[in-house]
Amino acid sequence: EAAVTQSPRNKVTVTGGNVTLSCRQTNSHNYMYWYRQDTGHGLRLIHYSYGAGNLQIGDVPDGYKATRTTQEDFFLLLELASPSQTSLYFCASSDWGPQNTLYFGAGTRLSVL
Amino acid sequence: GQQVQQSPASLVLQEGENAELQCNFSSTATRLQWFYQRPGGSLVSLLYNPSGTKHTGRLTSTTVTKERRSSLHISSSQTTDSGTYFCAMDDNYAQGLTFGLGTRVSVFP
Repeated sequence: EAAVTQSPRNKVTVTGGNVTLSCRQTNSHNYMYWYRQDTGHGLRLIHYSYGAGNLQIGDVPDGYKATRTTQEDFFLLLELASPSQTSLYFCASSDWGPQNTLYFGAGTRLSVL
Repeated sequence: GQQVQQSPASLVLQEGENAELQCNFSSTATRLQWFYQRPGGSLVSLLYNPSGTKHTGRLTSTTVTKERRSSLHISSSQTTDSGTYFCAMDDNYAQGLTFGLGTRVSVFP
């Protein structure tokens, strides 16, 4: 079974604070993704990457940076957190092409006060 | 960009009833996946089905690629089926899936 591990599981910070969310996958997948989930909006893609050092912009990138340091590790950075970034964040991984499904981590619940 | 619409938004069932969830999308799907989520939980992949019909357990997905729609049929529903079901697709293997807003299913004994 594919494995995607997110940390921390819960995080509380203040407005203007710095936050780093971590994701590690042990599936040897090329692609990794960061999504946020909000009531009324479903899941929305923030950033994704197809390999170490690569970064692609998703649908809602404003206020977020991301970095893929290795094939396994993908980080989401909020450098000046705002209350609008309070959300449930999911990381996922997949390989490329047809028949390659997405595998999700357990999620990180972030509250920005 | 691509758009995914799911219907109905919510569904209430009595245990044992069948259900049909619909998904329509704005472009031809190269990948299409159905997910399940319990409140506050992670997303679990149910079926990967960009075309044709696929089965797993009591779930059947039918995707008609040309008509840009997919359905998920739940047979003989159980209380443990309660949760939200998402349809997600993309039209390009090289980007993330776009998700619908989900169908919330509640199954009562």
